[in-house]
Amino acid sequence: EAGVTQFPSHSVIEKGQTVTLRCDPISGHDNLYWYRRVMGKEIKFLLHFVKESKQDESGMPNNRFLAERTGGTYSTLKVQPAELEDSGVYFCASSQPMQGIPYEQYFGPGTRLTVT
Amino acid sequence: QKEVEQNSGPLSVPEGAIASLNCTYSDRVSQSFFWYRQYSGKSPELIMSIYSNGDKEDGRFTAQLNKASQYVSLLIRDSQPSDSATYLCAVEGYALNFGKGTSLLVTP
Repeated sequence: EAGVTQFPSHSVIEKGQTVTLRCDPISGHDNLYWYRRVMGKEIKFLLHFVKESKQDESGMPNNRFLAERTGGTYSTLKVQPAELEDSGVYFCASSQPMQGIPYEQYFGPGTRLTVT
Repeated sequence: QKEVEQNSGPLSVPEGAIASLNCTYSDRVSQSFFWYRQYSGKSPELIMSIYSNGDKEDGRFTAQLNKASQYVSLLIRDSQPSDSATYLCAVEGYALNFGKGTSLLVTP
C-alpha cells in the first residue's frame, strides 16, 4: 500500500512569488491534514479536510494560504504571495478512523519550502 | 494554548540499554497519545499509540500513560544505533499537538 506522497520535495522561491504544494493521501483515507514545521519550532497544525470539506482551518496563518481538496482525493496548498516567514517544512498526513481506535495519522515526506 | 513538552536532549544511551523518553501535556481532556520517530530529513513515522492509562507494549517499545499526572513516556529496550532519531510526542486534541521532540543517540 502506497503511503502519503507529497510534491515537490523541495521548493525555493522568491518573496512575493506563488507556490503550490500537493499531497496525495493514502488511498481510501477520508481525513487529510496539513502541518508545518518552521525552524526550531514544533510541528504545527494548519488545517483538516474530511473528504472534500474543510473541517478546521484554525491553524492557517493568514489569507495568503489557500488549501483545496477537490473530489476528496489529493489536496493542494497554495501560498500567494510567499513571505520569508513561510519557509519551513510542510507535512501532509492522512487517517481513516476506525471505531475504538485513535485517529492514527500517517505522514508524508514533507515539502521543504525556502522563501528568499 | 495546548502545550506538549519534551526534553530536547540529546539523550545518549549505550547500545543495548533502555532509552526512556518523556512527555507532559497541558490539556487535561486529551484522550489519544502518539509517539512518532523522525530521522533527519524524513517524515514522522508512527511507532506507538496509546489511549488508556497504563502500559502498552509493541516489540522493543513500551508506551506508558498516566492521565492523572498528564504524562506519557516511551521506553525503548535493547536500544540499537538505528534507533538514533528524534522522537516526537503528539497529543490529540482535535488535530495533533506536537512537542518539539527529543533527540536520541544510541552509541555502539
